[in-house]
Amino acid sequence: AQKITQTQPGMFVQEKEAVTLDCTYDTSDQSYGLFWYKQPSSGEMIFLIYQGSYDEQNATEGRYSLNFQKARKSANLVISASQLGDSAMYFCAMREGNTGNQFYFGTGTSLTVIP
Amino acid sequence: EAGVAQSPRYKIIEKRQSVAFWCNPISGHATLYWYQQILGQGPKLLIQFQNNGVVDDSQLPKDRFSAERLKGVDSTLKIQPAKLEDSAVYLCASSFGQFSGNTIYFGEGSWLTVV
Repeated sequence: AQKITQTQPGMFVQEKEAVTLDCTYDTSDQSYGLFWYKQPSSGEMIFLIYQGSYDEQNATEGRYSLNFQKARKSANLVISASQLGDSAMYFCAMREGNTGNQFYFGTGTSLTVIP
Repeated sequence: EAGVAQSPRYKIIEKRQSVAFWCNPISGHATLYWYQQILGQGPKLLIQFQNNGVVDDSQLPKDRFSAERLKGVDSTLKIQPAKLEDSAVYLCASSFGQFSGNTIYFGEGSWLTVV
């Protein structure tokens, strides 16, 4: 089974609107971390936001927030007030706490912000 | 704080030639990773070091790829001989540790084209 699933290969959003990028994960560990990264066309993988499995509050970082629904094993990224510079690939990732050290990545979602 | 440094940024070689990529992680980060990212896909872990020891190299094609991390700081990834399918971005990353909450930070990547 896939550890991280991103079902949206491509998304479009109007500038200044909010957009949600979906991510579901699969783990039997109680302790794990969830991460989102942005990858512009330049290739660099930029860390955006982190959510720990024991965190009760949803993580927020500026215009980014993580909608964490533990029972549903989902960790959706919400970008508010989209900007043209948000156009990029977005990857969801997970690190399990107990059963290994590997960082699992999803297949990514390509976001295009339309002026 | 300086980020993960990688070089060269771009490299074009002919098949069967060799190439080496260098990485300097964030100061104090004990864990270093090399990922291969083929266009349109998520990153794939090639090798993970904890200080100067190898934690995971299960997906490293050992007949042609090698990596070392001397003195637990800098690392070099070598490909010899290169194949056309090795064309990809090679991402170096580092983290303070291997716990579920340790964020991985990436360098800008080294783009390899094999012709």
